[in-house]
Order: sequence, then structure tokens, then C-alpha cells
Amino acid sequence: GAVVSQHPSRVICKSGTSVKIECRSLDFQATTMFWYRQFPKQSLMLMATSNEGSKATYEQGVEKDKFLINHASLTLSTLTVTSAHPEDSSFYICSARTQGGNSPLHFGNGTRLTVT
Amino acid sequence: GNSVTQMEGPVTLSEEAFLTINCTYTATGYPSLFWYVQYPGEGLQLLLKATKADDKGSNKGFEATYRKETTSFHLEKGSVQVSDSAVYFCALSDGYNQGGKLIFGQGTELSVKP
Repeated sequence: GAVVSQHPSRVICKSGTSVKIECRSLDFQATTMFWYRQFPKQSLMLMATSNEGSKATYEQGVEKDKFLINHASLTLSTLTVTSAHPEDSSFYICSARTQGGNSPLHFGNGTRLTVT
Repeated sequence: GNSVTQMEGPVTLSEEAFLTINCTYTATGYPSLFWYVQYPGEGLQLLLKATKADDKGSNKGFEATYRKETTSFHLEKGSVQVSDSAVYFCALSDGYNQGGKLIFGQGTELSVKP
């Protein structure tokens, strides 16, 4: 149980275009989803916390107008990278919580974004 | 603020060797502690967890004990296999004060040679 599906797994786009990444909880309802970014051989950097039906909470230094997050239902959150640039190339990972408090997060398999 | 520090990698071991990956943390309150594993090109998978002091998490031969007195949560395995080659992340979650966010260590790459 507790499967998180992330789509697409890989995407290549041209500079200036926008890319949408979907994160779905397949067998549970996720009131909270988190979006992380991972640079090569580095740890995960939390970008934002996505709450169903409300605005996302962004971490310091993350541009909310560039990384648009929508959590429209209890099973789906989307991250849209707007006007992508090569420096946005990275591995993006979403995660979802099954319960509140200190329960573990379940992660998607990540999306490798390459901006040319 | 809360933080997690792991031993630097890469760690290279021969098959059947004993593994220890050190993890220490700084936190207020009573965090839960986790180990996640990331195989190449994939997301993270929960390996084990412990929610209070002296708890031992275990899974697939891996173990870690929540030591409040030393603020540590070291990962151990008695006999590693080639298939254990991956990056291991120690993490903490202070659900009440941090909104349930996970704070990760920098990751430790493990390479097991046959």
C-alpha cells in the first residue's frame, strides 16, 4: 500500500517553455504533499508543502511564481515549472503523507527534467 | 534549527562485510527518525523508522536504534550484498513543530563489490 505515482519520469523541454509534473497518491488520500528538488550527488531540498484546497507553502528562496503548485484533490498535486531555463534541470521528487504528525512520507520515483 | 548529519561517502565494502553508516541529529522536541534508500534513478523508499527513544527500527537486515543520549540513529547491517548498493538518507520529522516536514542528511553512497 501507500503508493505514490509521479509522471512523467523523464522530460526534456526547450528553454522558455513550461513543464507540468504530476504526483498522485494511488491508494490513499494525501492531505499534504511535499515537493523536493535533488541536485546530482546531493541531498533533497524541500521546495514547498502542498495542502489540498489551499495555497502551497514555499521554502525560503524558492520562487513561487516559477514553481507553481496546485493540490486540487486529495490524490493529486502538480508542480509546473514555468519559463524553464537550463538551471532548472534537476531531479524533482514528490512525497505524500498518509497521516498527520510523525508518520513516514511515501515518495514518488521522481522526474528527471532537462531543459535545453 | 533541526538538522541531520551523516558520515560522508562513498563507502565501499566487499560483499558480506559489516556496514555502519553514522547519523546524528539536532532537534527540539521529540522527533521521529527515518532511514530512506535511493536506488539509481529512482525516488526514495522508506527503509526503517523509530518514533521514540530506544526504539529499534529494522527491515531487510538493516537496523538502527534511536539513541536520545547521543542524538544518534546509526544504520547497521551485518552482511551487505551487492544489491544494497544505493544512497542512504537519514532524516528526522518533528511533526508538531515543523508541519510534518522531513529534514534530510546529505546522503551516504554505499557501493558493495562482489
